[in-house]
Amino acid sequence: KAGVTQTPRYLIKTRGQQVTLSCSPISGHRSVSWYQQTPGQGLQFLFEYFSETQRNKGNFPGRFSGRQFSNSRSEMNVSTLELGDSALYLCASGLGGGADTQYFGPGTRLTVL
Amino acid sequence: DAKTTQPTSMDCAEGRAANLPCNHSTISGNEYVYWYRQIHSQGPQYIIHGLKNNETNEMASLIITEDRKSSTLILPHATLRDTAVYYCIAASQAGGTSYGKLTFGQGTILTVHP
Repeated sequence: KAGVTQTPRYLIKTRGQQVTLSCSPISGHRSVSWYQQTPGQGLQFLFEYFSETQRNKGNFPGRFSGRQFSNSRSEMNVSTLELGDSALYLCASGLGGGADTQYFGPGTRLTVL
Repeated sequence: DAKTTQPTSMDCAEGRAANLPCNHSTISGNEYVYWYRQIHSQGPQYIIHGLKNNETNEMASLIITEDRKSSTLILPHATLRDTAVYYCIAASQAGGTSYGKLTFGQGTILTVHP
């Protein structure tokens, strides 16, 4: 079974731009979660989608948004990029229950200049 | 989610067992103990999880104390490729604000030496 895939793997943007990252979950998984990883803050939960609905959200500003499509693929968008948004963005998929085992993708490395 | 406490770093000789401890003294009855590891700049990799009983899979064993306040991840024969950051996470099965959310701490940097 194919794992979680994320595109693109690397991205360079400038301040003020916006960016869209994509995540394809493991086949059969309906839950997709997004995380941000930085050296200073570690791994932080952004939000989780299940059946096209956001079920949970972390403490990030509204510039961070996401959506999920009917095939469970998910995108996250960051608008008005700031230097501090430079990070590794990870998505994880699971079946969708509480305390569900999540399987992570390789991440998208975003650099904001 | 309950807070977990892990040593910052540990060393292990190749071929020996690596025993990684985790303290989760405030864990609640509906929280599972999960272990993930992250090799530099890759996505975290699921290792094992458990609720009360000890668990074993092809990667590792998980020993949870009877009072569930601590656990130990055992890599029976560590190799150089096991060098990684290991995260112990307490994750609720209650849903709601727990859906899809794993709360990562700083983890333990395990270095396996030749």
